[in-house]
Amino acid sequence: GENVEQHPSTLSVQEGDSAVIKCTYSDSASNYFPWYKQELGKGPQLIIDIRSNVGEKKDQRIAVTLNKTAKHFSLHITETQPEDSAVYFCAAPWAGSYQLTFGKGTKLSVIP
Amino acid sequence: DTAVSQTPKYLVTQMGNDKSIKCEQNLGHDTMYWYKQDSKKFLKIMFSYNNKELIINETVPNRFSPKSPDKAHLNLHINSLELGDSAVYFCASSQGVPMIPGELFFGEGSRLTVL
Repeated sequence: GENVEQHPSTLSVQEGDSAVIKCTYSDSASNYFPWYKQELGKGPQLIIDIRSNVGEKKDQRIAVTLNKTAKHFSLHITETQPEDSAVYFCAAPWAGSYQLTFGKGTKLSVIP
Repeated sequence: DTAVSQTPKYLVTQMGNDKSIKCEQNLGHDTMYWYKQDSKKFLKIMFSYNNKELIINETVPNRFSPKSPDKAHLNLHINSLELGDSAVYFCASSQGVPMIPGELFFGEGSRLTVL
């Protein structure tokens, strides 16, 4: 199966600063890389994803970059706000499968 | 309208008991899943069920069994509960098809505590 490493495990930033979370994956055939946000007491929710035919995707204050050669992808959140505080998970699929393996999560705290 | 709903939200039980968690999705998705999230927030897939195909994570004990009465439901049965089964269990669904992963829609979770 796929092996997904995520760093850092915790991240504290001041409101308005940027936050970056990085993930590496092991299966070079993986072609889909989503990011999920989990708020306290809720299930994870997809916030952005990228497929392997592009190197970057943006949606307002969040962006994901993908480096297929190095097998890593990153989540960038700009102008952070207190409501961005949550646990963020990256994921990648098992080769030839729709099943996702998740990273171990990053707890992001945005300090007002 | 809740897209993926699971019940109960909280479950406290004694070691050795058998319990079930129910899950229903109204999104018309073909694939449903069960994930386990432990106290460190690690999310691990337990099962996926696509039409009639069940894929089991090899690390899941056979005390855990999914049961799908129809496409919209995937229930989780757990026999002979152990302390280590305490976790939050998430049901999810997606419209992914083989080779093409899709967005996962998660339920709100069921917190199981085994005493």
